[in-house]
Amino acid sequence: EAGVAQSPRYKIIEKRQSVAFWCNPISGHATLYWYQQILGQGPKLLIQFQNNGVVDDSQLPKDRFSAERLKGVDSTLKIQPAKLEDSAVYLCASSLGSYTGELFFGEGSRLTVL
Amino acid sequence: AQKVTQAQTEISVVEKEDVTLDCVYETRDTTYYLFWYKQPPSGELVFLIRRNSFDEQNEISGRYSWNFQKSTSSFNFTITASQVVDSAVYFCALSEVIQGAQKLVFGQGTRLTINP
Repeated sequence: EAGVAQSPRYKIIEKRQSVAFWCNPISGHATLYWYQQILGQGPKLLIQFQNNGVVDDSQLPKDRFSAERLKGVDSTLKIQPAKLEDSAVYLCASSLGSYTGELFFGEGSRLTVL
Repeated sequence: AQKVTQAQTEISVVEKEDVTLDCVYETRDTTYYLFWYKQPPSGELVFLIRRNSFDEQNEISGRYSWNFQKSTSSFNFTITASQVVDSAVYFCALSEVIQGAQKLVFGQGTRLTINP
């Protein structure tokens, strides 16, 4: 079974530029999560989708971050314009449903903002 | 609000030593789940265990064991006879179901280094 796929693995941009990250969850997983992990910290939930609907985006900085999950499968997370403090690893995870507990994570996309 | 505290930022031991990673949590809910995840240098978080709030039995899986104590709101993780491959960052996490959706909150993580 294929795992959670993310791209790109690494991205370096200058502040005020834009960037997009892509995630393909495990087939059949209804719930998809985007986490932000700043160096030395635990992952912080940015947004959670159940199929193609948003369940929780309370910690998403909506003035610069946006995310969508078209057709309830792939998802894209966009940052525009980027700030220095957005430098982090962006982790995508998926799970069968909201109650299963076990999240399957991708390897992450490491963003460096200069 | 949910909160997970992993007071140990870094631990370094010599191979074959036993090591315990501490996790303390805060929640107002009576139904919740606790997790441990391992993050090796590759970056991918790997699920280790899930425990629900009604099951306080300790669990053992090979060299790994978990001690869940509701009275002290702790969910500690012990590695027996540690190996170099155990070197990673370990995260404790707490999940509550809010409005029909699971909300998973992670601790800050403990970086474990096993020296040969």
